Amino acid sequence: DQQVKQNSPSLSVQEGRISILNCDYTNSMFDYFLWYKKYPAEGPTFLISISSIKDKNEDGRFTVFLNKSAKHLSLHIVPSQPGDSAVYFCIAGGTSYGKLTFGQGTILTVHP
Amino acid sequence: NAGVMQNPRHLVRRRGQEARLRCSPMKGHSHVYWYRQLPEEGLKFMVYLQKENIIDESGMPKERFSAEFPKEGPSILRIQQVVRGDSAAYFCASSPWGQVVSYEQYFGPGTRLTVT
Repeated sequence: DQQVKQNSPSLSVQEGRISILNCDYTNSMFDYFLWYKKYPAEGPTFLISISSIKDKNEDGRFTVFLNKSAKHLSLHIVPSQPGDSAVYFCIAGGTSYGKLTFGQGTILTVHP
Repeated sequence: NAGVMQNPRHLVRRRGQEARLRCSPMKGHSHVYWYRQLPEEGLKFMVYLQKENIIDESGMPKERFSAEFPKEGPSILRIQQVVRGDSAAYFCASSPWGQVVSYEQYFGPGTRLTVT
């Protein structure tokens, strides 16, 4: 039962263009969402988050949008840089204190 | 301020042996979480611990797996009588006391367990 779904296993983007990573969730009890980035042989690192009371949160080149009615969120990276190439996880929290539910991840490749 | 430490980074065990994975949280963090990542999948929550307490173990397999976070020392994830299906990357994360404002967790580099 995949409660957080990232339907695109991979995404390839040219440097300088926008990267859009999408995520859908099924559990309406989720009230907090995070995006983490993961490089090979390293643990995931926090990128940006959004509470369910908001519909947008921006941090530099990264913006997360939340559409609660559609149970959909997206991460926009603009402009994309080669160093952004990594696996991006969409993560949800709120159903149980401390427990995070991960999506399967999307491999982003930014070409120079 | 050192990050979350996990050791060993790689662990090879034969079927039937025991695996012990260690996690030292970030300084000042008293909440520890264990996740497992199987090939081609995202991380799956296993257990959430505070010092000397298991808070949520809803993701732990019912048999062979146990976790502890003693008053002193690292958190330990123990897998008894390992089987090939236990081969995975095991990640530990920690968060500060009073994780109220955000759900952010800090992850270690993971331990890759291979069962032969």
